[in-house]
Amino acid sequence: QKEVEQNSGPLSVPEGAIASLNCTYSDRGSQSFFWYRQYSGKSPELIMFIYSNGDKEDGRFTAQLNKASQYVSLLIRDSQPSDSATYLCAVPPPTMDTGRRALTFGSGTRLQVQP
Amino acid sequence: GAVVSQHPSRVICKSGTSVKIECRSLDFQATTMFWYRQFPKQSLMLMATSNEGSKATYEQGVEKDKFLINHASLTLSTLTVTSAHPEDSSFYICSATIGSSNEKLFFGSGTQLSVL
Repeated sequence: QKEVEQNSGPLSVPEGAIASLNCTYSDRGSQSFFWYRQYSGKSPELIMFIYSNGDKEDGRFTAQLNKASQYVSLLIRDSQPSDSATYLCAVPPPTMDTGRRALTFGSGTRLQVQP
Repeated sequence: GAVVSQHPSRVICKSGTSVKIECRSLDFQATTMFWYRQFPKQSLMLMATSNEGSKATYEQGVEKDKFLINHASLTLSTLTVTSAHPEDSSFYICSATIGSSNEKLFFGSGTQLSVL
């Protein structure tokens, strides 16, 4: 089982709609979760991170974490064509892997916002 | 936010040549830098963790003699792809953290390597 799994998409939503992106993870001990946005040919940029169960809002973005079900989602309200990108979910290494600190990334979900 | 500078942004080379990619933290000291590789439509795959003043730690399946990493100072790590082949063509991205917090992880702009 992959450490982080995402649906590759593409997820297509009309402009102004809510885009919902989902991510599941395998390590029940994971404590922090990160969402990155990556435009084609560019490096990832951090959108937000979440540690606690529930919702965390930042502008048009809301991260939702459910540790019992081991999933984390990202909602984008009032989607804009400029939001069209690949969204990557990332988690720190498994709790038993104390020698490695790099984030593990999911394969990403490609979002297309239709004007 | 902190800036990580990566050069070159794009390189095209002939098969068999070596290519060096530089990653610099411009306004902070990075004791640890990470090198990722990304093939088209795939996720970032960690290649190695680079620690200042010590040998890099490579992920399983990554050849350390082919991908040479040097982290000679607190602001510079280099990745050299030796004897590059077409299958090494990929997007290489470095990243660095301030301290040990993943919240303060900053990425370089990436290097698109094309080996002919």
